[in-house]
Amino acid sequence: EAQVTQNPRYLITVTGKKLTVTCSQNMNHEYMSWYRQDPGLGLRQIYYSMNVEVTDKGDVPEGYKVSRKEKRNFPLILESPSPNQTSLYFCASSPKDYQPQHFGDGTRLSIL
Amino acid sequence: AQSVTQLGSHVSVSEGALVLLRCNYSSSVPPYLFWYVQYPNQGLQLLLKYTSAATLVKGINGFEAEFKKSETSFHLTKPSAHMSDAAEYFCAVSGIQGYQKVTFGTGTKLQVIP
Repeated sequence: EAQVTQNPRYLITVTGKKLTVTCSQNMNHEYMSWYRQDPGLGLRQIYYSMNVEVTDKGDVPEGYKVSRKEKRNFPLILESPSPNQTSLYFCASSPKDYQPQHFGDGTRLSIL
Repeated sequence: AQSVTQLGSHVSVSEGALVLLRCNYSSSVPPYLFWYVQYPNQGLQLLLKYTSAATLVKGINGFEAEFKKSETSFHLTKPSAHMSDAAEYFCAVSGIQGYQKVTFGTGTKLQVIP
């Protein structure tokens, strides 16, 4: 089954404790992206990747890092999480950047 | 910067009534436009897309949208609402700042009243 898998689905942690949210797709897609969803703000793009080793900032990259060492994986790293990063996060992928995206089920992060 | 405006954060319709969800974008060039739907506790699913072919686009579940360049609009419609249509709907645009940058609207929650 074609899917985008995110882990964990839920995480409660404390300020400053490094965390990684993993994202994996099994569709051999070139393009992958991370979004955060906040009430009243919709989805905002954090980072995207056009292919292996090619990443760039979206609209809200501050406080986040990403890497794309393999085509299927695109982890989101919070080196020193802060409470304002409490949000619902989505990973998405598509064959090419201009094509519709397939979304994961989301990761709800709470940072205390 | 590209932007998307969705008018109405909440829309209520009666079952069987017309659904109209509004989306306007900012661009001087034709962008790529998408409508996605999000059911509770799920990710987003594609409803339909506009990619500079036909201006009237048909999607899944009976939804369609019309691209109007003169109005910079891409409103989503469905002739007859069903209870299962209750969800949050997002309009998205890319291609204005490069196709790799995708901008979403703030979303419209659709309530269907029996």
